[in-house]
Amino acid sequence: QSVLTQPPSASGTPGQRVTISCSGSSSNIGRNTVNWYQQLPGTAPKLLIYSNNQRPSGVPDRFSGSKSGTSASLAISGLQSEDEADYYCAAWDDSLNGRGVFGTGTKVTVL
Amino acid sequence: EVQLVQSGAEVKKPGESLKISCKDSGYSFSTYWIGWVRQMPGKGLEWMGIIFPGDSDTRYSPSFQGQVTISADKSINTAYLQWSSLKASDTAMYYCARGPPGTVWFDPWGQGTLVTVSS
Repeated sequence: QSVLTQPPSASGTPGQRVTISCSGSSSNIGRNTVNWYQQLPGTAPKLLIYSNNQRPSGVPDRFSGSKSGTSASLAISGLQSEDEADYYCAAWDDSLNGRGVFGTGTKVTVL
Repeated sequence: EVQLVQSGAEVKKPGESLKISCKDSGYSFSTYWIGWVRQMPGKGLEWMGIIFPGDSDTRYSPSFQGQVTISADKSINTAYLQWSSLKASDTAMYYCARGPPGTVWFDPWGQGTLVTVSS
């Protein structure tokens, strides 16, 4: 059972800005960094954002992350058709002797 | 370029055992943690556990503790995920990925191994 809550879906037209929220608690997002993953259909997830707001090499600057308190957000500006995918937030949770947790996932549709 | 290459798809019957693998093509296998992630059909990602091949230090999610065993053989740069008695509910895609404890920072990922358990 996921302890990080995301909206199940988000959508926008090409060029628009889309924001995805990730809600957690004091034992996970509240005290640890957040990472984001993009999963294109039929493929393995790919690291999109690490340490709340850092982009790995090769990730377009259209993708940005932020964190405040026990919540985090992923923003996609200048939405493109190839951004249609599932997006997951993830963080370490210090409860139960420590474990990783993923968000429930958000399906982004480009209209 | 570091790559994680996983073993092929498996079809098993309930009650059978299984061990799937994840081979790291990098030169520093013993110095990085390797994690396993489950994705059931049409569902989200679930963190199962991680192992440090250098000393086999292993951490499990409470949801998977006792249900699977994570191991590694550093002499052949390979991590494993195994079941002693499969259930139909183990049907899923399983991914390995490189990443440390204390954060869910997985990069790179393997291509995934599809496990199907059906009578």
